[in-house]
Amino acid sequence: DTEVTQTPKHLVMGMTNKKSLKCEQHMGHRAMYWYKQKAKKPPELMFVYSYEKLSINESVPSRFSPECPNSSLLNLHLHALQPEDSALYLCASSQDFAGPTGELFFGEGSRLTVL
Amino acid sequence: AQKITQTQPGMFVQEKEAVTLDCTYDTSDQSYGLFWYKQPSSGEMIFLIYQGSYDEQNATEGRYSLNFQKARKSANLVISASQLGDSAMYFCAIGRGGSARQLTFGSGTQLTVLP
Repeated sequence: DTEVTQTPKHLVMGMTNKKSLKCEQHMGHRAMYWYKQKAKKPPELMFVYSYEKLSINESVPSRFSPECPNSSLLNLHLHALQPEDSALYLCASSQDFAGPTGELFFGEGSRLTVL
Repeated sequence: AQKITQTQPGMFVQEKEAVTLDCTYDTSDQSYGLFWYKQPSSGEMIFLIYQGSYDEQNATEGRYSLNFQKARKSANLVISASQLGDSAMYFCAIGRGGSARQLTFGSGTQLTVLP
């Protein structure tokens, strides 16, 4: 079982809805990430938090709003999404921000469908 | 800008045989890291192996080895003694400065292991 837990696993929402994706890890990691993966495409980095501060925002539209309430939790707030935002949203964590290894631990993702 | 190219959309291999998944990269950085991840149908990205740009020896992790040819800018993954559970999508990725904080992924190779 993955040590990064994402909820919900599936989410269907309308374009006017507000919803949130949640990610939790208890490995003591200090860096957390959101990736977006469209069907049959590679993951694309959206946001990186390091020590609970937003460190990287890959020019993501403002309808996606990340939040890191504490070192174990990462949320992604969704508002006024478009059908093309339908994708698998992957959360990941790593021990620190600039570690030399590939030890990104991923969750199983939240599959989002926007109607 | 960094780029990863995986030219094999799909590969088949017989159980217990070895298979090589191709990956070439392009970067102007002197320091970088190359990563391989496996993504089964469950969606979770699983880290397999890492090679730093200054590492002189090819990385190995159990049945996985990375054939690193720096002059040719290639980082092929070799899986020995394939198992049915190896059937998955495999992504090659590059990270600046050798870290995983901003990974750029290739398009992936879907590996199917045949009994």
